[in-house]
Amino acid sequence: DGGITQSPKYLFRKEGQNVTLSCEQNLNHDAMYWYRQDPGQGLRLIYYSQIVNDFQKGDIAEGYSVSREKKESFPLTVTSAQKNPTAFYLCASSTIQGDQPQHFGDGTRLSIL
Amino acid sequence: QQQVKQSPQSLIVQKGGISIINCAYENTAFDYFPWYQQFPGKGPALLIAIRPDVSEKKEGRFTISFNKSAKQFSLHIMDSQPGDSATYFCAASKDTGRRALTFGSGTRLQVQP
Repeated sequence: DGGITQSPKYLFRKEGQNVTLSCEQNLNHDAMYWYRQDPGQGLRLIYYSQIVNDFQKGDIAEGYSVSREKKESFPLTVTSAQKNPTAFYLCASSTIQGDQPQHFGDGTRLSIL
Repeated sequence: QQQVKQSPQSLIVQKGGISIINCAYENTAFDYFPWYQQFPGKGPALLIAIRPDVSEKKEGRFTISFNKSAKQFSLHIMDSQPGDSATYFCAASKDTGRRALTFGSGTRLQVQP
């Protein structure tokens, strides 16, 4: 089955620690996205990439970093500079053709110890 | 600045009733409007999407109505069922969906048996 796999499902971060969230897709999609979801709010865009080795900042990129070395992988690092990292993180992917939906993984819930 | 405003924040409907969720957007460059359904602990899944050249689109019990002049669109769920209880997000994108999504804040729907 094609889809998006996010791991781990739950992650805990200590103060001053960087943590990396994994996102892998086998849909052969060119574009990949990271969104953050807070309670009672919609999803907000952190970073996106439309092609390997290229990515763009979204609305809330501060304190986060990404890489896109392979088409199927788009890991997100939450750095110690992100002072309020507790949230539900969602990865998505899509083709670059028009009128095609973004497909989402089942998320990683990050909490502070 | 919130570019997509969604209401109501929560909604309780009796089984068999009609659920109506409304969204309004500001950016006239948006040209792709999807609705997503999200269950707790899961990623959003696409329900139905519409382009602004169509005033209405129906898929099963789900209908999107679109008013381009008012910059508003809405989701109607006919014959609502307890299994429809979830959070619903409207979203908007540019370039026929090739760009990242801007999400509304979500509506938590509860369908009572």
